[in-house]
Amino acid sequence: AQKVTQAQTEISVVEKEDVTLDCVYETRDTTYYLFWYKQPPSGELVFLIRRNSFDEQNEISGRYSWNFQKSTSSFNFTITASQVVDSAVYFCALNSGYSTLTFGKGTMLLVSP
Amino acid sequence: DTEVTQTPKHLVMGMTNKKSLKCEQHMGHRAMYWYKQKAKKPPELMFVYSYEKLSINESVPSRFSPECPNSSLLNLHLHALQPEDSALYLCASSQDRGSTPLHFGNGTRLTVT
Repeated sequence: AQKVTQAQTEISVVEKEDVTLDCVYETRDTTYYLFWYKQPPSGELVFLIRRNSFDEQNEISGRYSWNFQKSTSSFNFTITASQVVDSAVYFCALNSGYSTLTFGKGTMLLVSP
Repeated sequence: DTEVTQTPKHLVMGMTNKKSLKCEQHMGHRAMYWYKQKAKKPPELMFVYSYEKLSINESVPSRFSPECPNSSLLNLHLHALQPEDSALYLCASSQDRGSTPLHFGNGTRLTVT
């Protein structure tokens, strides 16, 4: 069975603050894939990143960075210098092979000016 | 702009109505999905089509009837819905059913009166 836990239900920050969204996963498979999606108020789920279980390198894309640690089964997401446009619900997700995508419950990020 | 197009964006229907949701992608993806999302919840998988054949039906009530006329189109036919079926219905596609990320449309906000 697969499980994704996003313990933070809601986070509020002020613009320009750094913020980290936590994601902890469980799977018995040795090959699996982790994802982050952003869902702004408009409703569309926007794909942000995919990471496979054999690649533990951290990744940076502009103000976004991801920290994948197999030892702690975590795949955390950091936004540096947050902006109002970052306000959204962020979902961490997991799948392995042909299993269906398992989503966490999501973290709502509110960035105020 | 999203590469997965869903119509209509909003739909209000009575419990005796018959309506259809439409989804279209032109990315050459061979897997397409319907998800249902209630407010403040993660998306829940309803159906998966792979190479135009239904491969997963997550015990969805028969008042929801999917159809995949070709590799680019996915429909969801609605009949005799209940008020609790009101939700955001998301369509997604992926290159195949394995590790590739899902690309989501903007969704249809359905209200059943």
